[in-house]
Amino acid sequence: ETGVTQSPTHLIKTRGQQVTLRCSSQSGHNTVSWYQQALGQGPQFIFQYYREEENGRGNFPPRFSGLQFPNYSSELNVNALELDDSALYLCASRLAGDGTDTQYFGPGTRLTVL
Amino acid sequence: LAKTTQPISMDSYEGQEVNITCSHNNIATNDYITWYQQFPSQGPRFIIQGYKTKVTNEVASLFIPADRKSSTLSLPRVSLSDTAVYYCLVGFSGSARQLTFGSGTQLTVLP
Repeated sequence: ETGVTQSPTHLIKTRGQQVTLRCSSQSGHNTVSWYQQALGQGPQFIFQYYREEENGRGNFPPRFSGLQFPNYSSELNVNALELDDSALYLCASRLAGDGTDTQYFGPGTRLTVL
Repeated sequence: LAKTTQPISMDSYEGQEVNITCSHNNIATNDYITWYQQFPSQGPRFIIQGYKTKVTNEVASLFIPADRKSSTLSLPRVSLSDTAVYYCLVGFSGSARQLTFGSGTQLTVLP
């Protein structure tokens, strides 16, 4: 167990709807990243938050947004859902400044868009 | 970003040692090499990380030659539960330190 939790486990939405996914970081970690993993592919970086500010973003449109709270928990929001947004969404936390890239992943949220 | 190349799939039998090699020809001086394991519908799990030579922990060993252009993950005496996708990652992108995953290696352990 990594200590990173995500909710909900599974979610079904319809095209055009909005969704919010939640992540609770491992204790002591101040950085959280979100990844999208389509079936049969490796995780793709969405964005990262450090001390409540976004400080890195992958190739995802603005309808993917996020928040990080003072307790280092985080949310991923996706607006105007599309069928291709169906994927496993992973959050990962780490301690910035520890000199390594080691990130600890949660179990993921399986989003299905119909 | 340092790109990695690893075999798409490998088969092994229970009790054997498995070695998965990853190529990363354009690794940068300050890049670490990290391996993750992922089971279906679960988040990747950190296995091991190294910078040079050899690193060993309770589950695996990581061998890195002097030129650091490749690395080999060694899993001793695999069991059926080691069937998973294994990802080799190198370095990070700027200040975000995003992890760039390739397609990984599907390891199947047979009885």
